[in-house]
Amino acid sequence: KQEVTQIPAALSVPEGENLVLNCSFTDSAIYNLQWFRQDPGKGLTSLLLIQSSQREQTSGRLNASLDKSSGRSTLYIAASQPGDSATYLCAVRPRNQGGKLIFGQGTELSVKP
Amino acid sequence: DGGITQSPKYLFRKEGQNVTLSCEQNLNHDAMYWYRQDPGQGLRLIYYSQIVNDFQKGDIAEGYSVSREKKESFPLTVTSAQKNPTAFYLCASRLGSEQFFGPGTRLTVL
Repeated sequence: KQEVTQIPAALSVPEGENLVLNCSFTDSAIYNLQWFRQDPGKGLTSLLLIQSSQREQTSGRLNASLDKSSGRSTLYIAASQPGDSATYLCAVRPRNQGGKLIFGQGTELSVKP
Repeated sequence: DGGITQSPKYLFRKEGQNVTLSCEQNLNHDAMYWYRQDPGQGLRLIYYSQIVNDFQKGDIAEGYSVSREKKESFPLTVTSAQKNPTAFYLCASRLGSEQFFGPGTRLTVL
């Protein structure tokens, strides 16, 4: 059974720091991995999607990597800003399961001015 | 504007009542999903539909029902059989590899 784990559960950093959020999964048979952002009481906003054949994706200050063989992904945020404060969720799409996503529990990020 | 809408934003229900959550999308996506989120936890799949008039149970389908009569609409009914329905409910649709989410409905059972 696929399980997704995110470490740490919460992280507080001063503005301007570079930071890394971690995601691990137990079964490497995935189509892709998606990183989302969730603000309190809101829905999810897709940040980056990495296909299983890819190693990384970049969007602005965000870079996500995928190492399928070791079951790991990282989300790197450069030059963090207070507006980056949110919960970050990673999710994997297992093969042959109707496109469902399996989510980690999230990392709650707080960037202090 | 294209997107996914969920209504209502907040919903209160008395124990023993059924309640239906609305999800509509104008993105022309075939696949739609319902997830549940509890405090401090990730999302768990309730039901999904890959095409009109077809749907499958997810990981926590007990106490829930859905229909998919139109491509744009995928309503979720929370029945009185659901033992702990208070949660944040999120609807999503999928184009190819990527899923897109609605703003959510927060259901509270009084």
